[in-house]
Amino acid sequence: KAGVTQTPRYLIKTRGQQVTLSCSPISGHRSVSWYQQTPGQGLQFLFEYFSETQRNKGNFPGRFSGRQFSNSRSEMNVSTLELGDSALYLCASSLAGGEGYGYTFGSGTRLTVV
Amino acid sequence: GQQVMQIPQYQHVQEGEDFTTYCNSSTTLSNIQWYKQRPGGHPVFLIQLVKSGEVKKQKRLTFQFGEAKKNSSLHITATQTTDVGTYFCAGYSGGGADGLTFGKGTHLIIQP
Repeated sequence: KAGVTQTPRYLIKTRGQQVTLSCSPISGHRSVSWYQQTPGQGLQFLFEYFSETQRNKGNFPGRFSGRQFSNSRSEMNVSTLELGDSALYLCASSLAGGEGYGYTFGSGTRLTVV
Repeated sequence: GQQVMQIPQYQHVQEGEDFTTYCNSSTTLSNIQWYKQRPGGHPVFLIQLVKSGEVKKQKRLTFQFGEAKKNSSLHITATQTTDVGTYFCAGYSGGGADGLTFGKGTHLIIQP
């Protein structure tokens, strides 16, 4: 079966712009989580959605937002981009999310802010 | 908030040697998951441990969950070049309110 699909794979944006990243989970998976990965901070949890509802949110500013659609596809948005937002953004899906289920990650979107 | 720490940050081994990475949490975990990320790739789920003192094996990999459910380890016997990558532990605590928290990983470098 198809894996987790993230688009686009690479993105270059200018400081102050906004960006939207997309994630299509594995068919049947209802939980989608987003992570930011940087060499210095590692994998940091952004938020988790389950059945169109945000279930958990990490410690990121309000410029980072997300949503999940009825088909479980998810988008995350970053407004007023800063240089420090340059990172690999990973989406992960799970059957139900939360405790008890492993996550399948997508290949990520590499965002560069210049 | 919950913190998950991993040591060592980097580990160089000769091919055929054993490797161990350790994971410690500041809070009691309801479960612990392990992931592997190859260079240039994305994390891949390896296993989940749930019970206190649980030990699970996958071929040359042995995973342990501490009795207090605050620490875990991954041991690889007789490393091979295919084992190269970064190994992450990740856990939930407090009902999962903080989401799945990852350690910073251990980078395994293997010299042939």
